[in-house]
Amino acid sequence: DQQVKQNSPSLSVQEGRISILNCDYTNSMFDYFLWYKKYPAEGPTFLISISSIKDKNEDGRFTVFLNKSAKHLSLHIVPSQPGDSAVYFCAASEGDKVIFGPGTSLSVIP
Amino acid sequence: EAGVAQSPRYKIIEKRQSVAFWCNPISGHATLYWYQQILGQGPKLLIQFQNNGVVDDSQLPKDRFSAERLKGVDSTLKIQPAKLEDSAVYLCASSLGLYTDTQYFGPGTRLTVL
Repeated sequence: DQQVKQNSPSLSVQEGRISILNCDYTNSMFDYFLWYKKYPAEGPTFLISISSIKDKNEDGRFTVFLNKSAKHLSLHIVPSQPGDSAVYFCAASEGDKVIFGPGTSLSVIP
Repeated sequence: EAGVAQSPRYKIIEKRQSVAFWCNPISGHATLYWYQQILGQGPKLLIQFQNNGVVDDSQLPKDRFSAERLKGVDSTLKIQPAKLEDSAVYLCASSLGLYTDTQYFGPGTRLTVL
């Protein structure tokens, strides 16, 4: 039973436009959420996180939104750049356990 | 600052053979994780160490998988005997402490079991 879901396996966006990656979770006890980015043949790298006491966190071109009532979070990338093309993993934690979603492959087209 | 090192990067074995992976975490990181990532899925935690003690190994198939963390630094993950379904990328990660600390991942070892 997947506790963290990313229902879009892939997404294509034109360079300069907004990329929106979505993530849903089922466990209401999750209290911290993270996004990781992964290039081929490399390990995931941390991108941005948000605590459950917030509904928005922004870092440069990256913004994460959290809607606790809907158990939904999203990652916005504005503007999208070709170097953003990668697999993005949503992750959620409860205590010291982190659970990853299956990932969304983002392609930013020049 | 050096990142998390893993070796080998690739390994091909036949089923029922044994294999071992090595991980060297970032210096000073107390927590070390081993993940299994099957194609098309997210990383799944196999085992988590805090220094040289096991914090969580609930998803480690203990009949065939074993792991140790030597002197609270390097770690090895072993599979014996391997099955076809063990084909995956094995990721090692480390963090300063527990809970919400950012995890830093190594490049992974891609295992193919024939």
